[in-house]
Amino acid sequence: GAVVSQHPSWVICKSGTSVKIECRSLDFQATTMFWYRQFPKQSLMLMATSNEGSKATYEQGVEKDKFLINHASLTLSTLTVTSAHPEDSSFYICSASQGGEQFFGPGTRLTVL
Amino acid sequence: AQKVTQAQTEISVVEKEDVTLDCVYETRDTTYYLFWYKQPPSGELVFLIRRNSFDEQNEISGRYSWNFQKSTSSFNFTITASQVVDSAVYFCALIRGDSNYQLIWGAGTKLIIKP
Repeated sequence: GAVVSQHPSWVICKSGTSVKIECRSLDFQATTMFWYRQFPKQSLMLMATSNEGSKATYEQGVEKDKFLINHASLTLSTLTVTSAHPEDSSFYICSASQGGEQFFGPGTRLTVL
Repeated sequence: AQKVTQAQTEISVVEKEDVTLDCVYETRDTTYYLFWYKQPPSGELVFLIRRNSFDEQNEISGRYSWNFQKSTSSFNFTITASQVVDSAVYFCALIRGDSNYQLIWGAGTKLIIKP
């Protein structure tokens, strides 16, 4: 089956630093990848849709300068949380689409101190 | 507009009981896909089922079964003889047939199975 990996699985950083999260489709090519954010006890919130070779499409209310998304190849998309603050602490999940389905990464838990 | 409603925020049952998780969806599209995902405490989403809008057959997979009824726009999920390992948050989701596969998520139902 299609496998998506995320790295790191968890990260703790100081306020003001930037954090990069990688999302890789391991055994298939993904033209489109999605980035979600999930707060405790809540559903997944779509942050942006990432298309290989083009700019990401951000959902309303998501700061594109804060959450930089790069989809440089068909197997890799990265999310960089710039100048992270405690309110950015969350669970970030990526997914890659293939054949009408989305395959999810295991998630990255970000804690900003 | 598309919408997925999971009215049950939390359900708690004793092990071996049957439990049904409700999912009601709204869409004007004729072609769409419905999904159920399980999210255990680890956080990783586990795919359970995908059903397209033209296939109303109910599905059974072991202790899991799904009842898709277009007449009531529902896609309910039943666990028979529940087990403690079934404890998780379950999400119902919808993809429009003509979209770039963007999922519309329900709020999720937290299922607690007590031993």
